[in-house]
Amino acid sequence: QSVLTQPPSVSGAPGQRVTISCTGSSSNIGAGFDVHWYQQVPGTVPKLLMYANNNRPSGVPDRFSGSKSGTSASLAISGLQAEDEADYYCQSYDSSLGGFVVFGGGTKLTVL
Amino acid sequence: QVHLQQSGPGLVKPSETLSLTCTVSGDSVSDYYWTWIRQPPGKGLEWIGNIYNNGNTKYNPSLKSRVTIEVDMSENQFSLKLTSVTPADTAVYFCAKDFGGWTMIRGVMTPYDYFDPWGPGARVTVSS
Repeated sequence: QSVLTQPPSVSGAPGQRVTISCTGSSSNIGAGFDVHWYQQVPGTVPKLLMYANNNRPSGVPDRFSGSKSGTSASLAISGLQAEDEADYYCQSYDSSLGGFVVFGGGTKLTVL
Repeated sequence: QVHLQQSGPGLVKPSETLSLTCTVSGDSVSDYYWTWIRQPPGKGLEWIGNIYNNGNTKYNPSLKSRVTIEVDMSENQFSLKLTSVTPADTAVYFCAKDFGGWTMIRGVMTPYDYFDPWGPGARVTVSS
């Protein structure tokens, strides 16, 4: 069981907007720790997609956006494209047990 | 541009020690944080631990008793050792640059870490 909970899968048609949720608790997202997102196309290395909740690294299209509220965070992808089909992981920090990095279980995005 | 290259055996026997090395080019290991992450077959990502530029380390509590991460500044590389491995440790192991630091949240200095770039990954199988 992952400390951060993500839906196992989401889907959308090309051009549509989808959101992926990441639900934590008072010891991680709810404590104010930043949330970061990674994209992993099957068979490839994870790539940083969003850092510090809503900041896109250079080269990431502005179709991707992030938000955080309370004990949850979300990644939104607008104008879905076939190349967006991948696994998406959220990541944060948890203050329990001395503090450590935590990942969500991952969400498989299917572009229909 | 930082580049990470991983090396180490792809097969480890149960009860033995898994050892991997990540060689860094384009950055000095003494200037940044560095981390190890693994991904079991068909599963999600699990953070193993990191090492700060002052040599301090932090480990995943679930692995802490078996993990050692060290830096070799002379070779500009950092390493992972995981002892007493079992088949459950079979995974692709990634090294990554860790953009770790501290930020003020609600009046409290709070740590953060995110990872970019990642090494190519090293598939390690634990089997006799």
